[in-house]
Amino acid sequence: AQSVTQLGSHVSVSEGALVLLRCNYSSSVPPYLFWYVQYPNQGLQLLLKYTSAATLVKGINGFEAEFKKSETSFHLTKPSAHMSDAAEYFCAVTSNRDDKIIFGKGTRLHILP
Amino acid sequence: NAGVTQTPKFRVLKTGQSMTLLCAQDMNHEYMYWYRQDPGMGLRLIHYSVGEGTTAKGEVPDGYNVSRLKKQNFLLGLESAAPSQTSVYFCASSYSNPYGYTFGSGTRLTVV
Repeated sequence: AQSVTQLGSHVSVSEGALVLLRCNYSSSVPPYLFWYVQYPNQGLQLLLKYTSAATLVKGINGFEAEFKKSETSFHLTKPSAHMSDAAEYFCAVTSNRDDKIIFGKGTRLHILP
Repeated sequence: NAGVTQTPKFRVLKTGQSMTLLCAQDMNHEYMYWYRQDPGMGLRLIHYSVGEGTTAKGEVPDGYNVSRLKKQNFLLGLESAAPSQTSVYFCASSYSNPYGYTFGSGTRLTVV
């Protein structure tokens, strides 16, 4: 069975500081990994995805994530936080043998002025 | 393109009442999903479909039924609503796995 664990249900960073949201996965087969963002009262939007090509994946709004097999991690980063980045972020995993995506419990990102 | 449209957006039900949530997508996607989102629980899969006429159970299927009679529509039914079904329900669709999902904007359901 596949799973993801997001470390920290709430993360606060100052505007302009580095954003780091942590995600560790568990999978017995090569994983496909995703980060989604949810703004208040909206559905989820795809930020970026890893599908076994380049290990460093660039997404929308300046976010990127690096797949590290040895650490079973897929952490999300952004060099400089903006107030508009305040949202909930979900890490998710699947594989080419599955027909559904498994989501983590989410991390709410707060941006401090 | 409308993408994924969920109706209604809000609903209040009394315990024991029934209702159907409709999800419609105009992207010709094969796969469709129903999730519920609760604080601190993330998204939990209720039921899903990998094509017209197919359905399968997810992580939390009890108390819900689904139908996929047309490729573009995926219906979620609550036969006898309970307060534990108070949640935000999201529909999603995908061309196939693992391309990632397109989500609807959600239905906020309160059962009193």
